[in-house]
Amino acid sequence: EVQLVESGGGLVQPGGSLRLSCTASGLTFNDYGMNWVRQAPGRGLQWLSYISSSSGAIYYADSVKGRFTISRDSAKNSLYLQMNSLRAEDTALYYCARFGRDYSPDAFDIWGQGTMVTVSS
Amino acid sequence: DIQMTQSPSTLSASVGDRVTITCRASQSISSWLAWYQQKPGKAPKVLIYKASTLESGVPSRFSGSGSGTEFTLTISSLQPDDFATYYCQQYNTFSVTFGGGTKVEIK
Repeated sequence: EVQLVESGGGLVQPGGSLRLSCTASGLTFNDYGMNWVRQAPGRGLQWLSYISSSSGAIYYADSVKGRFTISRDSAKNSLYLQMNSLRAEDTALYYCARFGRDYSPDAFDIWGQGTMVTVSS
Repeated sequence: DIQMTQSPSTLSASVGDRVTITCRASQSISSWLAWYQQKPGKAPKVLIYKASTLESGVPSRFSGSGSGTEFTLTISSLQPDDFATYYCQQYNTFSVTFGGGTKVEIK
């Protein structure tokens, strides 16, 4: 079964850090660009970051640039998001999602189920 | 960033109705547009990509059209399983952006 499974979410205080993970199974993880997308409660979807298959190309949304870092480990079929200097407005459900192609922006053809991050004191 | 404007934000319809959702881009995105369906508590699911190509397994009552800055998603005959929120997404650049969503409700 093709699956992306996120983990690492939780409650964190403003200014704190959290590391999200996304593990792939049943799909060719290493041939595709991967992304993080979030959705605040009751709100729409917001793309956060992209990483190519080789990690040679990385992009961030302005809202998280300098605070979040995307990475991947091909040997573990895993994608990561290190989130620092967290703010209340970062509270959201965080999805990992696969682009349908590598080295090109594309539609997201596979999504995880999401992991919830709550930033609150 | 390219802004995507969806309309309407909410749509009330009955089973069997023909439904059309519009998405406008703030600049030309050629045909680099996808449509998603999201149900409560679930991840989005891609319906259409490259403006008009139906994703495998998606019912043929869904169709997409448009290019440049104006796009539409049409459901030819609304079914009970179609009540959900729909999003458009442009992928003309790596800074992909989504429309604000259209919630399709039961009339």
